[in-house]
Amino acid sequence: DVKVTQSSRYLVKRTGEKVFLECVQDMDHENMFWYRQDPGLGLRLIYFSYDVKMKEKGDIPEGYSVSREKKERFSLILESASTNQTSMYLCASSSQGSNTFGSGTRLTVV
Amino acid sequence: QKEVEQDPGPLSVPEGAIVSLNCTYSNSAFQYFMWYRQYSRKGPELLMYTYSSGNKEDGRFTAQVDKSSKYISLFIRDSQPSDSATYLCAMSDLTTSGTYKYIFGTGTRLKVLA
Repeated sequence: DVKVTQSSRYLVKRTGEKVFLECVQDMDHENMFWYRQDPGLGLRLIYFSYDVKMKEKGDIPEGYSVSREKKERFSLILESASTNQTSMYLCASSSQGSNTFGSGTRLTVV
Repeated sequence: QKEVEQDPGPLSVPEGAIVSLNCTYSNSAFQYFMWYRQYSRKGPELLMYTYSSGNKEDGRFTAQVDKSSKYISLFIRDSQPSDSATYLCAMSDLTTSGTYKYIFGTGTRLKVLA
């Protein structure tokens, strides 16, 4: 089975901090995704990557950046955390077909 | 109008009932259709994955796609308390880079009462 591992389950950060969320997949998938999930809004795509060093903006990229230096690792960066970035962040990977998700990181910005 | 519409529920049913979950969509270019189950404080897990119109069955779960009506359904037979979760529909959209990205419904919260 594909395994997608997110480094932290829970994080609390202060406003203005730079935050790194890490994601690693173990099945050599080309595509990786970062979503955030909020009540009533569902899953919204922040960024995705279809190859090493390649990235595309999703639907809500503002305030975020990403890094993919190795195929198995995809990092989400909050340049200057704000309270409206408090959310559940989900990483996923895919080859062709559906996404396989990690367990999520619940980020609280205070 | 959202690209994918899904009733948020909550939907409460007695154990053993047949559950019907539905999504409508507006983009006729969507090619793949998926249903995910998400337990509280967990990531979504894939339940069903279909491409064409028609039905696909897997155990107690049946996924139905009607491309002409832009309507997909998930049926759960003999529902169990362990089926209590949020169910998300998702559809694939091909990007300019040739990658599939996925558009999700907001999810329907299901509670199966023992």
